[in-house]
Amino acid sequence: QVQLVQSGAEVKKPGASVKVSCKGSGFRVTDYIVQWVRQAPGQRPEWMGWIFDGSGDAVISQEFQGRVTITRDTSANTVYMEVSSLRPEDTAVYYCARERHGDAWFDPWGQGTLVTVSS
Amino acid sequence: SALPQPASVSASPGQSITISCTGTSSDIGASNYVSWYQQHPGKAPKIIIYGVSNRPSGVSSRFSGSKSGNTASLTISGLQPEDEADYYCTSHIPNSPYLFGTGTSVTVL
Repeated sequence: QVQLVQSGAEVKKPGASVKVSCKGSGFRVTDYIVQWVRQAPGQRPEWMGWIFDGSGDAVISQEFQGRVTITRDTSANTVYMEVSSLRPEDTAVYYCARERHGDAWFDPWGQGTLVTVSS
Repeated sequence: SALPQPASVSASPGQSITISCTGTSSDIGASNYVSWYQQHPGKAPKIIIYGVSNRPSGVSSRFSGSKSGNTASLTISGLQPEDEADYYCTSHIPNSPYLFGTGTSVTVL
């Protein structure tokens, strides 16, 4: 069964960093693009960036450049997304999702990871 | 920036509804990569339409997509109670960010 399994909820203080993991099951993360999307409470999804299938290079949305890093561990078949300098407005559910290269649609999605930023 | 969608649409079971997603000649108008996602409360989005009008395997034929100029549309025919959810469009141009719509809440009366 093809699925993405994400790490559990996190509570962080402003200024801290958070690293969310996304483990592929039933496929190799090196064969697909892995996307990251976040969704603040009651808001629309917001695209954050992706990591390429072959090279492992990451593309980060301009809005998050300098604060977001996307990496992967091929031996663990896992992709990681780290956000630094957290602010209360970063409170959101963070999703990873799979994209077959060039298709521009995401399926499946991980179950989501709630990150709460609060002092 | 986000692609404008109507905030809410409601209809009775069995009726049809159409949700619009309005873009510009630089995004939807120039893209063959328009997708639609369905999201139930507390769940991850689920793909229902990709490439403007294609349905993934397992998605009901009651869902259909189209595009005219700078506007994409999602039509749900024969509305059913389980269709009550939020719907988001997305548009993508290669080497550009993915844009999501503002979202439409569908209520089945």
